[in-house]
Amino acid sequence: EIVLTQSPATLSLSPGERATLSCRASQSVSSYLAWYQQKPGQAPRLLIYETSNRATGIPARFSGSGSGTDFTLTISSLEPEDFAVYYCQQRSNWPLTFGQGTRLEIQ
Amino acid sequence: EVQLVESGGGLVQPGGSLRLSCAASGFTFSSYWISWVRQAPGKGLEWVASIKPDGSGKYYVDSVKGRFTISRDNAENSLFLQMNSLRAEDTAIYYCARGGTATTIFHYWGQGTLVTVSS
Repeated sequence: EIVLTQSPATLSLSPGERATLSCRASQSVSSYLAWYQQKPGQAPRLLIYETSNRATGIPARFSGSGSGTDFTLTISSLEPEDFAVYYCQQRSNWPLTFGQGTRLEIQ
Repeated sequence: EVQLVESGGGLVQPGGSLRLSCAASGFTFSSYWISWVRQAPGKGLEWVASIKPDGSGKYYVDSVKGRFTISRDNAENSLFLQMNSLRAEDTAIYYCARGGTATTIFHYWGQGTLVTVSS
């Protein structure tokens, strides 16, 4: 099983700041890494797939990068609606796995 | 508009059974991978099971193998999850999530249905 480790567990920032979230895989997942956003009481929403492709309707301030075992989700300038929990997910191998999540909170 | 609507959740005793359904609309159901993902209260996301577009391939997380069965009815645009021998640790919100035509990227999600396993 591929284990995804996200860091930090919690990130405290202010609107307008840049957010950098990390996801590290226990073995290579090639480029088969996605990012999701989840707000309280809501279902997750796909942000980024295949490392760097923005999903439909996702603003350009969200970007993804990386390859192999190290991946990054960057939010260039935080908007109030961006404060949420973020998960990475790999589809390289069965079982599909998620990271434990990074909570992005308002400082 | 893609819509996924789960139903069938509820309170069940340990060892009991439950069948979840997911009604899909707004896309050609028979062309897409579709999956169940769960989230225990206050916890992260856990993939449970996925099924190929034609139903010929089914994949499960180890913790549910032999207890849960994923299936689909492409004529009725519906996905199912038969859950047997339920345990307290199966308590979670169960989401139906649509993938791609050849991938298990979760592009669309339902709002989920809550399953509580308790005596």
